[in-house]
Amino acid sequence: AQSVTQLDSHVSVSEGTPVLLRCNYSSSYSPSLFWYVQHPNKGLQLLLKYTSAATLVKGINGFEAEFKKSETSFHLTKPSAHMSDAAEYFCVVRASGGSYIPTFGRGTSLIVHP
Amino acid sequence: GAVVSQHPSRVICKSGTSVKIECRSLDFQATTMFWYRQFPKQSLMLMATSNEGSKATYEQGVEKDKFLINHASLTLSTLTVTSAHPEDSSFYICSAAGESYEQYFGPGTRLTVT
Repeated sequence: AQSVTQLDSHVSVSEGTPVLLRCNYSSSYSPSLFWYVQHPNKGLQLLLKYTSAATLVKGINGFEAEFKKSETSFHLTKPSAHMSDAAEYFCVVRASGGSYIPTFGRGTSLIVHP
Repeated sequence: GAVVSQHPSRVICKSGTSVKIECRSLDFQATTMFWYRQFPKQSLMLMATSNEGSKATYEQGVEKDKFLINHASLTLSTLTVTSAHPEDSSFYICSAAGESYEQYFGPGTRLTVT
């Protein structure tokens, strides 16, 4: 069984300040973890993924995430928010040794104020 | 990266008619395709998983006679919403996976049933 919890439904930051979007997971197998971004009425774009290599994963647009097995977390961060980062973000877990069907978090809406 | 297209991007239809949505993997062979439904401000809900040349596997609560899925080739899957009603209005997203099980998402189709 696998599950993913995005702890915040909304995160509001000012432009230029750091971004932290939290994600905790559970998985019976070694997980693969993903962060996707979705702008309004658009599909999902992959930001980054963890697949059992380096625990600190760098993605596109300055985002990165750190896999912490002891905390079962995979939080997404960015040092400085841009207005264009305002979107919906989904954390996704997929068990590498079991079903390949992913489980989506409920999403976190990132709001960026000028 | 791999590209998945969906057609149409938007469709408006009258209640009682059927609508077909196409999902294509443009530069890789998709052994498995997934269909998701997304309600406003919510996460993606997996509707069904289809493997090329075999019947789709539907998630619990999804009517297989209502949502017909065909995966006739390694690059094309179709979702047909039969006898559509206003409650079927939603954003439908497909994804395609090759042998690595990595999922690539389409841009989505906005269905509005009047």
